[in-house]
Amino acid sequence: GENVEQHPSTLSVQEGDSAVIKCTYSDSASNYFPWYKQELGKGPQLIIDIRSNVGEKKDQRIAVTLNKTAKHFSLHITETQPEDSAVYFCAASELTGGGNKLTFGTGTQLKVEL
Amino acid sequence: SQTIHQWPATLVQPVGSPLSLECTVEGTSNPNLYWYRQAAGRGLQLLFYSVGIGQISSEVPQNLSASRPQDRQFILSSKKLLLSDSGFYLCAWSVPRRSGNEQFFGPGTRLTVL
Repeated sequence: GENVEQHPSTLSVQEGDSAVIKCTYSDSASNYFPWYKQELGKGPQLIIDIRSNVGEKKDQRIAVTLNKTAKHFSLHITETQPEDSAVYFCAASELTGGGNKLTFGTGTQLKVEL
Repeated sequence: SQTIHQWPATLVQPVGSPLSLECTVEGTSNPNLYWYRQAAGRGLQLLFYSVGIGQISSEVPQNLSASRPQDRQFILSSKKLLLSDSGFYLCAWSVPRRSGNEQFFGPGTRLTVL
């Protein structure tokens, strides 16, 4: 089955700096890669995703890049703000018409310091 | 718009007691439904998923079971809770016909088994 590794487990940045979180996956059939943000005590919220036919996707201060050959993808947050502090999870999945199963990374605790 | 509800929000149960957690989705039909467990400081582990009424797939052998008595209702149960069942339980849904297959999470149930 799929295995997703995520690094780093914790990340501290100064407000205004950029943050980068990296994930690798093992199954070459995976073709859908979402990123979730989870605030304390809440359910994860989908913030951006990318499909394998695209190398990069950007949404305001958030961007995701995908390298299918190397089987890794990354989340980039620019101009970080205190409200960006949360746990971020990457995931990988093979798109099917049936039960879509996501395999998650172990999470990155991002802390944006003033 | 679609919404997903989970209850209760928090639950404290003694070892050996039964469990019933409920999840309902509004605003969509025939969703795929999922139950995840998140241990403290850990990633999300898929427990069950369902592509239709009465159709349940189990991902991990355990003390829990799931049922889908109605199209938009997903229930997680146990006859006798173990200490190891403590955790944050998350329900999620996705629409299989959409190209993205994004999964959207509910607010979660915090279960503590004493």
